[in-house]
Amino acid sequence: NAGVTQTPKFQVLKTGQSMTLQCAQDMNHNSMYWYRQDPGMGLRLIYYSASEGTTDKGEVPNGYNVSRLNKREFSLRLESAAPSQTSVYFCASRTGFPGELFFGEGSRLTVL
Amino acid sequence: AQKITQTQPGMFVQEKEAVTLDCTYDTSDQSYGLFWYKQPSSGEMIFLIYQGSYDEQNATEGRYSLNFQKARKSANLVISASQLGDSAMYFCAMREFNYGQNFVFGPGTRLSVLP
Repeated sequence: NAGVTQTPKFQVLKTGQSMTLQCAQDMNHNSMYWYRQDPGMGLRLIYYSASEGTTDKGEVPNGYNVSRLNKREFSLRLESAAPSQTSVYFCASRTGFPGELFFGEGSRLTVL
Repeated sequence: AQKITQTQPGMFVQEKEAVTLDCTYDTSDQSYGLFWYKQPSSGEMIFLIYQGSYDEQNATEGRYSLNFQKARKSANLVISASQLGDSAMYFCAMREFNYGQNFVFGPGTRLSVLP
């Protein structure tokens, strides 16, 4: 079982470059999430998608865009990367009620 | 707004002893769920245990139990008979069932189990 798959696992960017983090789940979940994890701050929600075709901003959406391509895939795009976006990014999908999150392995992004 | 507080940045426990990791939360929703996740040094997030706001009994999953005190808005994780493999970051999280899809996470507690 693949579960939630994120790519790439590691990426180094220069300030101003763009990139897309890909996420796919094979559990037929409706809801998908993008979080970033920074030391001492836990996980903060960037964007989420309650179902195919819908997306909503979370706590820290600035500098990011998302696309819910279909039920399986939810991508996160950085249009013009900044050093403040250096972080570990997690994609997750959620079961129905009560709905624990299933996480991908994380993507470590460094912006120089 | 929902909020999770974990006041213990780090904890130490002797192998085979029990340990309690604190979590307090704030919400105006009457219907919510509380979740605990473990993050070992390898980085993956592992779901441990769930407690619903209307559950009358404390949740248990193997060596994990949740000390749920609704009036005090606390949901402490108890790990019994600690093992070296329990050394990890532990995150408390909450989802409000009436106010949308967001999961809010606390800052985490790093647990170190000593041999």
